[in-house]
Amino acid sequence: GQNIDQPTEMTATEGAIVQINCTYQTSGFNGLFWYQQHAGEAPTFLSYNVLDGLEEKGRFSSFLSRSKGYSYLLLKELQMKDSASYLCAVQGATNKLIFGTGTLLAVQP
Amino acid sequence: DSGVTQTPKHLITATGQRVTLRCSPRSGDLSVYWYQQSLDQGLQFLIQYYNGEERAKGNILERFSAQQFPDLHSELNLSSLELGDSALYFCASSPTAGELFFGEGSRLTVL
Repeated sequence: GQNIDQPTEMTATEGAIVQINCTYQTSGFNGLFWYQQHAGEAPTFLSYNVLDGLEEKGRFSSFLSRSKGYSYLLLKELQMKDSASYLCAVQGATNKLIFGTGTLLAVQP
Repeated sequence: DSGVTQTPKHLITATGQRVTLRCSPRSGDLSVYWYQQSLDQGLQFLIQYYNGEERAKGNILERFSAQQFPDLHSELNLSSLELGDSALYFCASSPTAGELFFGEGSRLTVL
């Protein structure tokens, strides 16, 4: 089976940097995803890691350590529009994608 | 626009009724996934199809069923509806492995 843990809520200040952690346990691993979801809207893809290391994409970076079952999403130069839920998801052996419960990020002025 | 189309966008029905949600995947995507998201809850995986065949099953209730047709569109059937079935139902598609592209969701309200 799969188990994914991430903090329920985080608060950060506009212009700052925030790191959202995700730990997981899975049988079979085909990659780890981060999605952003605004309330009532569809999740949108942010990043994908399948090998260990850091993937950078503009203001967003994601890190993976497969041996530790650990990932983080780093958001830089926070903007008010970054207030959303951030979902960590693990893709298992059958490519089934299981989501964590999400981290609700509130960006304050 | 992700390229995944879901209908209807909104649906209001009564307890005990049956509804069908429809999903058209992105052109060329063989995999279709269904997720349920209740208020303030995470995305719960229901079921996955690949090229017409069921590939993986999550915590899908026996009252729910799904299928993927030869043209790759998929339908999720929800029967004997209960108040607790009120949720956003998302469909997503992907080529094989990799990124899932989500539709806008179907919001079901059971009264």
